[in-house]
Amino acid sequence: ILNVEQSPQSLHVQEGDSTNFTCSFPSSNFYALHWYRWETAKSPEALFVMTLNGDEKKKGRISATLNTKEGYSYLYIKGSQPEDSATYLCALNTGGFKTIFGAGTRLFVKA
Amino acid sequence: NAGVTQTPKFRVLKTGQSMTLLCAQDMNHEYMYWYRQDPGMGLRLIHYSVGEGTTAKGEVPDGYNVSRLKKQNFLLGLESAAPSQTSVYFCASTYARQETQYFGPGTRLLVL
Repeated sequence: ILNVEQSPQSLHVQEGDSTNFTCSFPSSNFYALHWYRWETAKSPEALFVMTLNGDEKKKGRISATLNTKEGYSYLYIKGSQPEDSATYLCALNTGGFKTIFGAGTRLFVKA
Repeated sequence: NAGVTQTPKFRVLKTGQSMTLLCAQDMNHEYMYWYRQDPGMGLRLIHYSVGEGTTAKGEVPDGYNVSRLKKQNFLLGLESAAPSQTSVYFCASTYARQETQYFGPGTRLLVL
């Protein structure tokens, strides 16, 4: 069974702090990696789709990198704001019809 | 353009009762998915469909059935609800299997 691991499980930071979290996956089963942002009481929304080793994607203060050879992706948030508080999910697509989701990193940003 | 919608938003069932959750998308997507989300766990795939008239089992299919009679709709059925099926159910769709999935707002189900 393929497993997508995210760490840490939760994270508390102060407003203005920069932070990052990790998504690990089996490197031999890689096709695409997705990052989603999931606010409480809402549905997950896409942040990035990454397909190539060395990919770097950026959206405002949020960026992500991908290393398919070693099987990990980092998500970075620069200058965290309270509105960044959410669960960040990564999801692995292995080329088939299914996508395997990690359990998420829950970020709390205190004003 | 409503995206992905789910009905109902919330439901309480007694053990043994049946119900159907409806997912509808207006983006002409081929692929549709049903997930369940439980505390401390990632989204787990129940069933999925790669096109009208097709369905396939996901990671946790037991106790659920699905149908995709029309491209825009994907129904999830519980024939005899059990307390272990208490969860939040999310439907998602995508136009290609490796692309971003678009999620519905979720259905919260409580089985007593």
